[in-house]
Amino acid sequence: GAGVSQTPSNKVTEKGKYVELRCDPISGHTALYWYRQSLGQGPEFLIYFQGTGAADDSGLPNDRFFAVRPEGSVSTLKIQRTERGDSAVYLCASSLLSYGSGRGDEQFFGPGTRLTVL
Amino acid sequence: DAKTTQPNSMESNEEEPVHLPCNHSTISGTDYIHWYRQLPSQGPEYVIHGLTSNVNNRMASLAIAEDRKSSTLILHRATLRDAAVYYCILKTRRSGNTGKLIFGQGTTLQVKP
Repeated sequence: GAGVSQTPSNKVTEKGKYVELRCDPISGHTALYWYRQSLGQGPEFLIYFQGTGAADDSGLPNDRFFAVRPEGSVSTLKIQRTERGDSAVYLCASSLLSYGSGRGDEQFFGPGTRLTVL
Repeated sequence: DAKTTQPNSMESNEEEPVHLPCNHSTISGTDYIHWYRQLPSQGPEYVIHGLTSNVNNRMASLAIAEDRKSSTLILHRATLRDAAVYYCILKTRRSGNTGKLIFGQGTTLQVKP
């Protein structure tokens, strides 16, 4: 079946511009996560959605970052006034459950969006 | 979240077994041990997880120490496609947990033909 998809695969923007990154999770997965990965580092958690609501946004670095998931499926990560330090690969993951006995809570990741801020 | 420690890098020869270690001395009773791997230019993918007993699946085996303070991911016959960064992650099953994964630096596995 279809996995997690992310668009665009690459985004180049100029400092100060606004960008939107889209994530299409696996159908039926209620949990959705955004992570950010800088070069040479492991992914870093940004935000978690359970259904339509952001249940944990503790990883968002500042108020320039915002994410929505209005219908409990597709999610959009929005970055205002981009800075060069925002350059990274942004990863989206979905899972059937957020936690449990370890069954059904494995996360399926998309290929990521590589964001470059010039 | 409890911390894990892994070697930065390891090398293996193709078709030989690989043992990837992970230390997690502060693990709690509600923590599962999860392994993910990330192939070059791809998102991470789930490999295996366990709580107390050793686990096997089509991708790998997970050996968990009796005191649970360490574990080893075993690839029985490494292939070139197994060259990746392997992450050992603790994930609690406590109610209310968001399920977010806390990635460390992982172990970069190089497989030589």
